[in-house]
Amino acid sequence: SQKIEQNSEALNIQEGKTATLTCNYTNYSPAYLQWYRQDPGRGPVFLLLIRENEKEKRKERLKVTFDTTLKQSLFHITASQPADSATYLCALVPSGGYNKLIFGAGTRLAVHP
Amino acid sequence: IAGITQAPTSQILAAGRRMTLRCTQDMRHNAMYWYRQDLGLGLRLIHYSNTAGTTGKGEVPDGYSVSRANTDDFPLTLASAVPSQTSVYFCASSVDSTGELFFGEGSRLTVL
Repeated sequence: SQKIEQNSEALNIQEGKTATLTCNYTNYSPAYLQWYRQDPGRGPVFLLLIRENEKEKRKERLKVTFDTTLKQSLFHITASQPADSATYLCALVPSGGYNKLIFGAGTRLAVHP
Repeated sequence: IAGITQAPTSQILAAGRRMTLRCTQDMRHNAMYWYRQDLGLGLRLIHYSNTAGTTGKGEVPDGYSVSRANTDDFPLTLASAVPSQTSVYFCASSVDSTGELFFGEGSRLTVL
C-alpha cells in the first residue's frame, strides 16, 4: 500500500544549527511534494513545493531536496531559531491532483536557545 | 485577511446527533477539501470538491457528507455522530487541484 513516513520522534536542536527533517515514501509516484508548517492549535501553512524533475528548491533559510530514486525528501532549516519550533508535514501530490494527496504524520522540531 | 473561516472552533456532541461544520473561503478558489487530523495518523482526506456543484470522496468518507452549492461554502455534515469521529477537522482550499493548500484554523469535535 502507499505510505509516507516522517520521523515520529521530535527533533531537538540548538539555535543556530541546521535542522534536517526526512520524508520517505513507498509504492508511490509523486508528481510533486510539498512541505507545510503547523503550530499547536493552528492549521498547516504551506512552505515549499518541489516537482519530481527538480532536485533542490530554496526559500530564504529553507531548502528542500527530492530524490525519486531513494524515494525521499529532505527539509533543511539553516541558522535555526526558536521561532522555527513547530511540526513540519510533508505531503505527496500525485499526477492526478489533490484528490489523492497524502500527508505524513509530521515531525515536531524544537529549537533550543 | 480572512482566507478560510471554520465554525465552530470547538464542539462537544452526544453520539447520534447530527452536526454540520461550516467552512467559508473568500479567495474564490475553485477547489475545497475537508481533512481530519488524528494523533499519529496525520491529515486524512474526507471529501473534496474541484469546483462548485461537484464533490468527491477522499480516503475516509464514511459517515460524512458534503455539498458545494457555491464557490465560497463547503459544509461538512455528520448525519449521526459516533465517538470515532472525535477529531480535529480542517477545511482547505486551493486555486485548482494542483496548487498549494490554504487551511482554516480547524474545528475540534468531541463525540461522547
